Amino acid sequence: EVQLVQSGSEVKKPGESLKISCKGSGYSFTTFWIGWVRHMPGKGLEWMGIIFPRDSDTKYSPSFQGRITISADKSINTAYLQWGSLKASDTAMYYCARFFQGYVGESFDFWGQGTMVTVSS
Amino acid sequence: EIVMTQSPATLSVSLGERVTLSCRASQSVKNNVAWYQHKPGQAPRLLISGASTRATGIPARFSGSGSGTEFTLTISSLQSEDFGVYYCQQYNNWPPLTFGGGTKVEIK
Repeated sequence: EVQLVQSGSEVKKPGESLKISCKGSGYSFTTFWIGWVRHMPGKGLEWMGIIFPRDSDTKYSPSFQGRITISADKSINTAYLQWGSLKASDTAMYYCARFFQGYVGESFDFWGQGTMVTVSS
Repeated sequence: EIVMTQSPATLSVSLGERVTLSCRASQSVKNNVAWYQHKPGQAPRLLISGASTRATGIPARFSGSGSGTEFTLTISSLQSEDFGVYYCQQYNNWPPLTFGGGTKVEIK
């Protein structure tokens, strides 16, 4: 069974750093891209970036480039999303998701349960 | 960047009714569109990829159509568990992968 299990909710202060994780199981972790998606309260889904764990090829949304870092440790089947300096506007639910590329099409077919990040002074 | 525009923003529908959600791309994305359902407190769920192919386990009342710049998600007979926000997403030309703004389906 394919599963993506994310780290638990976080409460941080503005200016603090944070790294959240997403551990994959039940499939070959290194052969699928893993993406990160933000969901701010009352807003829509926003694609942040994506990583290919086999070689750590990473692509970012222009909206998030420079503010986040996406990484992966293929030895433990885990992808990461990190911030160097959080802002209150980073308060959101963050999802990781497996990006499937097949004959029929491409899509985020399996999702983590989400990590709630709250940034407040 | 390809912009995906969904309409309407909100839809109030009675149980058993047919529901049609629209998604427009700012330029042709061929049939490279996926649809997701997102309910409060849950992770998003893949419904459709390739504009019209249902994902594993998705009921037949969900169907997708369209190509180029105009896409539609149809729920043939709305069930109580179908409430939530529906998003289209293009993957024809990425990065970036882009989502539409979503359509909220409410039960009337």
